[in-house]
Amino acid sequence: QKEVEQDPGPLSVPEGAIVSLNCTYSNSAFQYFMWYRQYSRKGPELLMYTYSSGNKEDGRFTAQVDKSSKYISLFIRDSQPSDSATYLCAMTRGSNYKLTFGKGTLLTVNP
Amino acid sequence: GAVVSQHPSRVICKSGTSVKIECRSLDFQATTMFWYRQFPKQSLMLMATSNEGSKATYEQGVEKDKFLINHASLTLSTLTVTSAHPEDSSFYICSASPAGRSEDQPQHFGDGTRLSIL
Repeated sequence: QKEVEQDPGPLSVPEGAIVSLNCTYSNSAFQYFMWYRQYSRKGPELLMYTYSSGNKEDGRFTAQVDKSSKYISLFIRDSQPSDSATYLCAMTRGSNYKLTFGKGTLLTVNP
Repeated sequence: GAVVSQHPSRVICKSGTSVKIECRSLDFQATTMFWYRQFPKQSLMLMATSNEGSKATYEQGVEKDKFLINHASLTLSTLTVTSAHPEDSSFYICSASPAGRSEDQPQHFGDGTRLSIL
């Protein structure tokens, strides 16, 4: 079993749709959970950063962490064509520890 | 804030050449930086952890003598691909997180270096 599982998609939705992305993990030592967005030929851009369980909202983005289920989610409301990218979940024990990434989900938002 | 700059963004060179890639934290100090490699349509693979003032820690299967890492200051880490060959062609990305904060900080990534060895 891989440490972090993420459905690679691809996922295609119409503009304005609510997008749900998720990852599961097996290592209970993970305390920090991140979602990164990566456009083609660019480095990952931090979208959301959450410590332990709970919800965090930032504009159209909501991140949820359920440590009891080892499950994290990212919701994108009112999706836009500019949201089309690969979304990577990542997690770690602490900031100076290595990140463990999911495979990434390729999202396309169609106008 | 938390900007990481990577240079160069693109390198094309002949087989046997050594290539140096720089990773700088522009508005924060980083005691630890990370180097990743990414193949097309795949996720990031950690190559090594770079620690300021000490030797880098390499992941299993990564050749230390092939990928030389130097982290001489709190804002700069370099990766040198020595005697590069076509199989070293890839997208190399660095990351760093701010040091000295009371709470842990996430890693921020540079924009990557696309290395092509002919």
